[in-house]
Amino acid sequence: GAGVSQSPSNKVTEKGKDVELRCDPISGHTALYWYRQSLGQGLEFLIYFQGNSAPDKSGLPSDRFSAERTGGSVSTLTIQRTQQEDSAVYLCASSLRSSGRHEQFFGPGTRLTVL
Amino acid sequence: AQTVTQSQPEMSVQEAETVTLSCTYDTSENNYYLFWYKQPPSRQMILVIRQEAYKQQNATENRFSVNFQKAAKSFSLKISDSQLGDTAMYFCAFANSGYALNFGKGTSLLVTP
Repeated sequence: GAGVSQSPSNKVTEKGKDVELRCDPISGHTALYWYRQSLGQGLEFLIYFQGNSAPDKSGLPSDRFSAERTGGSVSTLTIQRTQQEDSAVYLCASSLRSSGRHEQFFGPGTRLTVL
Repeated sequence: AQTVTQSQPEMSVQEAETVTLSCTYDTSENNYYLFWYKQPPSRQMILVIRQEAYKQQNATENRFSVNFQKAAKSFSLKISDSQLGDTAMYFCAFANSGYALNFGKGTSLLVTP
């Protein structure tokens, strides 16, 4: 079946503008995660959604970052007033918690460049 | 806090040879999960192998196997019969009951002909 998809693949924006990044998880996956991968760094957890529960926002670096998940499926990560240090690859992952396997399936990511 | 350390930023191996990538982690949890992910230049993160901490038997997936030493908090990845397609960044990751993955900084593996 279809894997996790993300759009856009690449996004170039000017400092101070808002951006929205989209994630379509694997159908039926109840958990959805956002990570950020900065140049030369590992992956940094941002936010986690599980079903209808309140999201775990503990990884969001500032209040400029927010995310929504509508209808338990598609998620949008919004970055307001972008800064150059926001430039990174933003990866989305989904998993089926009930499987007990805890493995996450990743999308291809969105490369964000803030000029 | 949980941390994952990959002490080898870069490694190189010849085709058909065996290579071992190191990973150590720090946690106070008893139940957790460990993973190795591969990220080729295409940027797509691919799960290579997973290990549950409560299982003593080391996980294997075809040419990939792990050496899981729970007391030492060590989780190394062995790639046998290396292939050119194994060239990629390899990330070690840890997840406890919180489920979010904690990643190491990665090891860049180059397989040469």
